[in-house]
Amino acid sequence: KAGVTQTPRYLIKTRGQQVTLSCSPISGHRSVSWYQQTPGQGLQFLFEYFSETQRNKGNFPGRFSGRQFSNSRSEMNVSTLELGDSALYLCASSVEMGYEQYFGPGTRLTVT
Amino acid sequence: DAKTTQPPSMDCAEGRAANLPCNHSTISGNEYVYWYRQIHSQGPQYIIHGLKNNETNEMASLIITEDRKSSTLILPHATLRDTAVYYCIVRSILDTGRRALTFGSGTRLQVQP
Repeated sequence: KAGVTQTPRYLIKTRGQQVTLSCSPISGHRSVSWYQQTPGQGLQFLFEYFSETQRNKGNFPGRFSGRQFSNSRSEMNVSTLELGDSALYLCASSVEMGYEQYFGPGTRLTVT
Repeated sequence: DAKTTQPPSMDCAEGRAANLPCNHSTISGNEYVYWYRQIHSQGPQYIIHGLKNNETNEMASLIITEDRKSSTLILPHATLRDTAVYYCIVRSILDTGRRALTFGSGTRLQVQP
């Protein structure tokens, strides 16, 4: 079974721009969560989606948003990019909420 | 969230068992212990989880003390490919506010040839 896929793998953006990252969960998985990883803050939870609805949200500003489609694929968007948004963005999928999460390889975003 | 305490680093000889400890003295009754690892620049990899009984799968064994205040992840025959940062996470799957995985600093395991 194919794992979690994330696109693009690498991205360079300029301050003030916006970016959209995509995540395709493992087939049959209906819950998708997003995490941000930086050297200073480590791995931090962004949000969780299930059945196209946001079910849980971490402590991030409103510039970070996401959505989930009917096929469980998910996107996250960051508007008005700041230098501090440079990070590895990780998507994880699970069969249902509360089950073990399987991570994708991540999208490395660099903001200049 | 129940916090976890792990040693920052450990070494293990290739072919030997690697025993990674974790303290979670404030764990509550409905919280599970999860272990993940992250090899440099890759996404975290799920290893194993348990509630109160010892668990074993093809990757590792998880030993949880009877009072559930600590646990040990055992990699029975460590290989060089097991070099990674290992995260012990306590998670409540019933409580929405505590369902997300909360990663600490983890233990950096270096397997030596």
